[in-house]
Formats: sequence, C-alpha cells, structure tokens
Amino acid sequence: EAGVAQSPRYKIIEKRQSVAFWCNPISGHATLYWYQQILGQGPKLLIQFQNNGVVDDSQLPKDRFSAERLKGVDSTLKIQPAKLEDSAVYLCASSQNTGNNEKLFFGSGTQLSVL
Amino acid sequence: GNSVTQMEGPVTLSEEAFLTINCTYTATGYPSLFWYVQYPGEGLQLLLKATKADDKGSNKGFEATYRKETTSFHLEKGSVQVSDSAVYFCALNSGNTPLVFGKGTRLSVIA
Repeated sequence: EAGVAQSPRYKIIEKRQSVAFWCNPISGHATLYWYQQILGQGPKLLIQFQNNGVVDDSQLPKDRFSAERLKGVDSTLKIQPAKLEDSAVYLCASSQNTGNNEKLFFGSGTQLSVL
Repeated sequence: GNSVTQMEGPVTLSEEAFLTINCTYTATGYPSLFWYVQYPGEGLQLLLKATKADDKGSNKGFEATYRKETTSFHLEKGSVQVSDSAVYFCALNSGNTPLVFGKGTRLSVIA
C-alpha cells in the first residue's frame, strides 16, 4: 500500500515570498490533515478536510495560509506571504475517516526554511 | 482544552536498558491515547494506542497503560535497542477533536 506522498521534501525561500506544498493521501482515505511542526515542538493541526470539505481550520492563520482539497483527493497548502516564524516541517496525514480511534498515516513532511 | 505533557529529552540510554517516557494529559470527556514515533528521516507512525481506562497498548516491545486516576500514559520498554533511537510523541483525541500532540522526547540508544 502506498503511503502519504508529499512534495517538495525541502524548500528555502525568503520572507514575503510565497510557497506551496502538495500532498497525495492514501487511496480511499476520506480525511486529510495538515500539521505544522516547529523545531522542538509537537505537530499542531492547521486544517482538517473530510473529503473536499473543511472540518476544522480554527488554527490556520487565514491571513496568510490557505489550503484546498479539490475533488477530495490531493491537497495543497499555500503560504503567502511567508514570515520567518513559518519555518517548520509541514506534515500531511490521512485517515480512513474521522473519529476517536482513527489511525493517522503521516507523510515524510516538507521542511520549510524562511530566510 | 485538551493537552499533553511529556518529559523533556533528550534521553540517552545504553542498549538493553529500561526505558520510561512519562506522559500526562488533560482532556474533556473520555480521550483515546496514542504514542507516535518518528524515526530519523521518516514520517510519524503510530506505535500503540489505548482507547479506555486500564487498557494497555503494546507494540514492538513497547507498552503503555491508560491510567485514568493519574491521567497518565507512560511509555515503557524493558530492553531498548539502537534501532529504537527516535523521537516519541504522546497524543490524544476525544470526541471529534483533532489529535493533540506533546512536544516529543528524543531517545538515543548507544551500543
């Protein structure tokens, strides 16, 4: 079974530039998550999709971050404009459904450095 | 709101030593508890879970028991190996709330 695919693996940009990350979840998984993991901290949820609808985006800085999941499969996360504090690993995860006991499958992440 | 507190690392152990990584939680309702592991260069993966009080999750020689009375879910392994070197995250969710992670504990096992 193919895992969660993310690209690019690394990205270096200057502040105020824009950047986009891509995620392809495991086939058939209805729920997709984007997490931000700042160095030395645990992952923090940015946005959760169920199919192509947003379930939770309460912690997404909407003035600069946006995400979409067209057709309920692939997803992109965009930052525009980037700030220094956005330097982090951006993790995509998927699960079959939402719920207490759902196992999340994570991609390897995109490491973003904002200079 | 929900939160997880786990012991600060890094933890450095010799091979075959006993491992404990402490984790305590605050949650509304009846949370499910998880340990995720992140090996170098890889994504997070589920190590074990427990969904109700007194449940014991286990996998790859690791164990953790859901203790409601102490709101804890400590991770243990009787004899660690070099291949266990990784970052370990305690996490929980309850109801329809998203998974909340602790800050992670880095474990280094030396031969």
